[in-house]
Amino acid sequence: DVKVTQSSRYLVKRTGEKVFLECVQDMDHENMFWYRQDPGLGLRLIYFSYDVKMKEKGDIPEGYSVSREKKERFSLILESASTNQTSMYLCASSYQTSADTQYFGPGTRLTVL
Amino acid sequence: QKEVEQNSGPLSVPEGAIASLNCTYSDRGSQSFFWYRQYSGKSPELIMFIYSNGDKEDGRFTAQLNKASQYVSLLIRDSQPSDSATYLCAVSGMDSSYKLIFGSGTRLLVRP
Repeated sequence: DVKVTQSSRYLVKRTGEKVFLECVQDMDHENMFWYRQDPGLGLRLIYFSYDVKMKEKGDIPEGYSVSREKKERFSLILESASTNQTSMYLCASSYQTSADTQYFGPGTRLTVL
Repeated sequence: QKEVEQNSGPLSVPEGAIASLNCTYSDRGSQSFFWYRQYSGKSPELIMFIYSNGDKEDGRFTAQLNKASQYVSLLIRDSQPSDSATYLCAVSGMDSSYKLIFGSGTRLLVRP
C-alpha cells in the first residue's frame, strides 16, 4: 500500500513567519509534488521534484521554495507567510512518468493570520 | 481556455441511477487520463486510469476515452449516497513527462 504522510493536518501561523511543510512517501517514488487547493480554483501545482535535489517550478511558485535532500522526503517552505497563502496544501508522489498514478497525502490546512 | 474543463455541478442523481461525469482537455498529445474522487475535507484518491480509446470498466465505474474528440468521461452505475463527492479529472501534460493537469472537479450529489 502506498503511503504518503504530511507532517501536520492543521497549522496556524502568523504573517511573516517561516513555515515548513514536510511530506514523506514510503514507495521509493521518483516524483514528488506540492499542490495547493482553493475553492473554485482546483488543484494548482506549486513545485515538483523528479529526483533528489532536482526541482521544477509549477504554475504558482511565487512565495514558495522546496527542498528534496532525500528521495522519500519533499519539503515546502514559505519563507515569509502571508494571508493569501492560507490554503489546503497537498503533497503527492508518483513512480516515474505522468502515466503513473499520483498518490496524495492527507493534506495540511494552513491558516496564516 | 482552461486545459482541463469540468462542469462544477452539483450533479444531482437519485440513488440507483447512473451518474455521468464529463471532462474535456485541450492538449491533443495527452496520453494518460485519471479520475480521482475527493470527499469533503479529504485528499483525492484514485478511482481509475485509462490510456486507450474506448471503455474501461472496474466494478460500478466505467471510464470512457475519446481522443479524437478530446473528452474523457466517468460513469457510475447504481449510484449510492456514499458516492457523493467531488470528482477530479486529471490529464498528462505534454510540456513535462511528470506532471498531471487537474480539472476543477464536478460535485456529485446522490439523493437517497
